[in-house]
Amino acid sequence: RKEVEQDPGPFNVPEGATVAFNCTYSNSASQSFFWYRQDCRKEPKLLMSVYSSGNEDGRFTAQLNRASQYISLLIRDSKLSDSATYLCVVNMKTSYDKVIFGPGTSLSVIP
Amino acid sequence: EAGVAQSPRYKIIEKRQSVAFWCNPISGHATLYWYQQILGQGPKLLIQFQNNGVVDDSQLPKDRFSAERLKGVDSTLKIQPAKLEDSAVYLCASSLALAGATRNHEQFFGPGTRLTVL
Repeated sequence: RKEVEQDPGPFNVPEGATVAFNCTYSNSASQSFFWYRQDCRKEPKLLMSVYSSGNEDGRFTAQLNRASQYISLLIRDSKLSDSATYLCVVNMKTSYDKVIFGPGTSLSVIP
Repeated sequence: EAGVAQSPRYKIIEKRQSVAFWCNPISGHATLYWYQQILGQGPKLLIQFQNNGVVDDSQLPKDRFSAERLKGVDSTLKIQPAKLEDSAVYLCASSLALAGATRNHEQFFGPGTRLTVL
């Protein structure tokens, strides 16, 4: 089993729709969780950090379920500019801070 | 604040040639990462430095890849000799995080170097 797995996608949704992405992680010692956004042919950029039970920022809500070892990202009222790849990132506490990126889920918002 | 700088932005070489990439992280960032990202996949960590020491190079193909971070600031990643499957974007990132810290793990990425091996 991969350490971080995400919905395979791609997701094609109309403008204004609500879309949710799921991410699961295998190591229960994982401590910090993040969602990054990567536009086509660009570098990843931090979208949201998820440190406790969840985090909300405008149209974006990230939730963490430690018992089931998954995090989710909910996007409400999708905009064309939300089209990108969303990367789930998990930080595990070992002898150092090990950061693992998921494979990403592609989102296309259609007019 | 200046971001993470990388050069070159693009490189085309033939297989069996050598290539080097350079990265200058954000000033004061202790941790530096090199990732390989193949089209359609998430970034794969190649090597992670904390200051000038290596903390994780478990996925670095050491027979052909090498990296160093002299003086704990900028870093170079080298491939010698290159193979066709090394064609990818090589991303450098940095973060404030130190081992044991529970915050400051946000990674800031450079624009990447797009390598094509023919």
